Amino acid sequence: GQQVMQIPQYQHVQEGEDFTTYCNSSTTLSNIQWYKQRPGGHPVFLIQLVKSGEVKKQKRLTFQFGEAKKNSSLHITATQTTDVGTYFCAGRSANAGKSTFGDGTTLTVKP
Amino acid sequence: SQTIHQWPATLVQPVGSPLSLECTVEGTSNPNLYWYRQAAGRGLQLLFYSVGIGQISSEVPQNLSASRPQDRQFILSSKKLLLSDSGFYLCAWRERPGANVLTFGAGSRLTVL
Repeated sequence: GQQVMQIPQYQHVQEGEDFTTYCNSSTTLSNIQWYKQRPGGHPVFLIQLVKSGEVKKQKRLTFQFGEAKKNSSLHITATQTTDVGTYFCAGRSANAGKSTFGDGTTLTVKP
Repeated sequence: SQTIHQWPATLVQPVGSPLSLECTVEGTSNPNLYWYRQAAGRGLQLLFYSVGIGQISSEVPQNLSASRPQDRQFILSSKKLLLSDSGFYLCAWRERPGANVLTFGAGSRLTVL
């Protein structure tokens, strides 16, 4: 079945440093979504990417969808303490009835 | 606007006791509904999903069951809890059939002792 792998599992950064998490799928995806889960909270939708090579930005967050639509990344520029949490990707292939989540990358930011 | 309610928020149950977690969605009709479990520090495991009343698909064979007695109500149950059932249970819904974005409830944190 479809597998979605996310790396790294954990990332510790100093405030102001950049952060990137990567998501790789075993199959070609129709679309990919990114979610953020704050400590003790529930996942909240951030963004969806659909087109090959698509890049979207939300303030300091940059999301990319690979040309082959099998990988994606989330990059945060100049992290802040408010960025702490676990970031999940969720991908859906054309013949799949549901999305598959990666295991998430947990980001901690040292002030 | 649509909202999703999940309760109870926290519960501590002894091994062998029954479980019932409820999820309701407001402001929409015929949503796709999902139950996920998240073990401490881990990812999201899809347990069940439902595309309509009485329609339940199970993803992982286990000690749990789900039911959808009404269009906007989704219930997760167990007759006898195991220690391994501890975790954070999340209900979610899709904005419309065929859409990709999930909206999650606040979650129910279950500790089995």
